[in-house]
Amino acid sequence: EAQVTQNPRYLITVTGKKLTVTCSQNMNHEYMSWYRQDPGLGLRQIYYSMNVEVTDKGDVPEGYKVSRKEKRNFPLILESPSPNQTSLYFCASSYRVGSPLHFGNGTRLTVT
Amino acid sequence: QKEVEQNSGPLSVPEGAIASLNCTYSDRGSQSFFWYRQYSGKSPELIMFIYSNGDKEDGRFTAQLNKASQYVSLLIRDSQPSDSATYLCAVTPYGQNFVFGPGTRLSVLP
Repeated sequence: EAQVTQNPRYLITVTGKKLTVTCSQNMNHEYMSWYRQDPGLGLRQIYYSMNVEVTDKGDVPEGYKVSRKEKRNFPLILESPSPNQTSLYFCASSYRVGSPLHFGNGTRLTVT
Repeated sequence: QKEVEQNSGPLSVPEGAIASLNCTYSDRGSQSFFWYRQYSGKSPELIMFIYSNGDKEDGRFTAQLNKASQYVSLLIRDSQPSDSATYLCAVTPYGQNFVFGPGTRLSVLP
């Protein structure tokens, strides 16, 4: 089944403890992206990648890192999480930019 | 600054009516246009995409694109309570990144 898989679905952590949210797609998509969604603020893009080894900042990159060493994987890294990073996170991919985006099921992160 | 705007909600329609959702965009170079449906706490789900001027129909959904006026709309015919959700408009200028609108919340009243 073609899909975007995020893990974990739920995560509760403490301030400053490094964490990684994984994202993997099995559709051979070139484009991948991370979004966060907060009440009243809509989807805001964190980072995106047009292809392997190519990543760019989105609208809200501060406090986040990404890497794209393989086409299928695009992990989101929070080196030192803070409470303002408590949010619902979505990974998404598409064949190329301009093609429909496919979203993962989301990761609800709580930083205390 | 590339912007995508949507009609402010919430939009309420009675069951069986036509729901009309509108989206305007600022970049005249935009090439691809998408409508997503998102239920609360769930991930966005693709409803329609359209690349060319005119109408595109899929079941109860019709997307309408007018590049000259820089708007894209989504019509939902015979609205059902299960259509109650937030609808997101997304646009991509050619070769460039996706830009999402803030969303319009639709409520279909039984």
